[in-house]
Amino acid sequence: KNEVEQSPQNLTAQEGEFITINCSYSVGISALHWLQQHPGGGIVSLFMLSSGKKKHGRLIATINIQEKHSSLHITASHPRDSAVYICAAYKTSGSRLTFGEGTQLTVNP
Amino acid sequence: EAGVAQSPRYKIIEKRQSVAFWCNPISGHATLYWYQQILGQGPKLLIQFQNNGVVDDSQLPKDRFSAERLKGVDSTLKIQPAKLEDSAVYLCASSLPLGQGANTGELFFGEGSRLTVL
Repeated sequence: KNEVEQSPQNLTAQEGEFITINCSYSVGISALHWLQQHPGGGIVSLFMLSSGKKKHGRLIATINIQEKHSSLHITASHPRDSAVYICAAYKTSGSRLTFGEGTQLTVNP
Repeated sequence: EAGVAQSPRYKIIEKRQSVAFWCNPISGHATLYWYQQILGQGPKLLIQFQNNGVVDDSQLPKDRFSAERLKGVDSTLKIQPAKLEDSAVYLCASSLPLGQGANTGELFFGEGSRLTVL
C-alpha cells in the first residue's frame, strides 16, 4: 500500500463541471503539495499547505490533518485544466517528499 | 527569475552505455532533488541534497546510479551502465528548505530529461 494514495486515477468531465480530486496519506506529514503536470511538460506547484484551505483562481485545496486527507477542487472546469494532478506529502521524519500516482483529468468542451 | 535548468532534454542510448544529466537549480535554493518518473507513474525520489550534502539516497540504485553536487549549486546524475528499465523522465527540482521562512518548501521543477534506453 502506497503511503500517499490518490483517487480517482482517471477523471473525465464536461466543461463547466465542478471537479474534486482526493489524496489520502498514512504517515505523519508536515506539509502537502498539489502539483500539475501537462503532457510532455514539466511539473508546476499549485499549492503547498499544512492546514486549512487555500484558494487560487478557480482552484481550491483543503487539508484535514486529523483525517489525513486533502482535496483539490476545480470550479468551472475548462479544457485547459486537462493534466495530471499529483499530491505529494512531506513526511515529518526525514523531510522526504512522497508522491501519489497522480490523477489524469480530461475536461471535454 | 530563472527557473530550474536541465540538460539534455532528450537522450537515446543503448543498454550498457552511460549517460549523464545536469541540473542547475534556482539561485539560493539549498535543497535539490532528482526524481525518476516512469510513464504513467508518479515521480520517485532518487536523491535529495541539502547544499552539497546528501540527505536521502535510500532509493538510488547505487550499483549503477551516482549523483553529485560538489559546490552546492548545480548537480549531475549519472547512470552507468544503463538498463532498459531506466527509460524514464529524470526530473530535477529545487526549493528553500521547509521551515526557513515564508514559501519555503515550495518546489520548482525543471522540464526534465527524457531517457530512452534501447
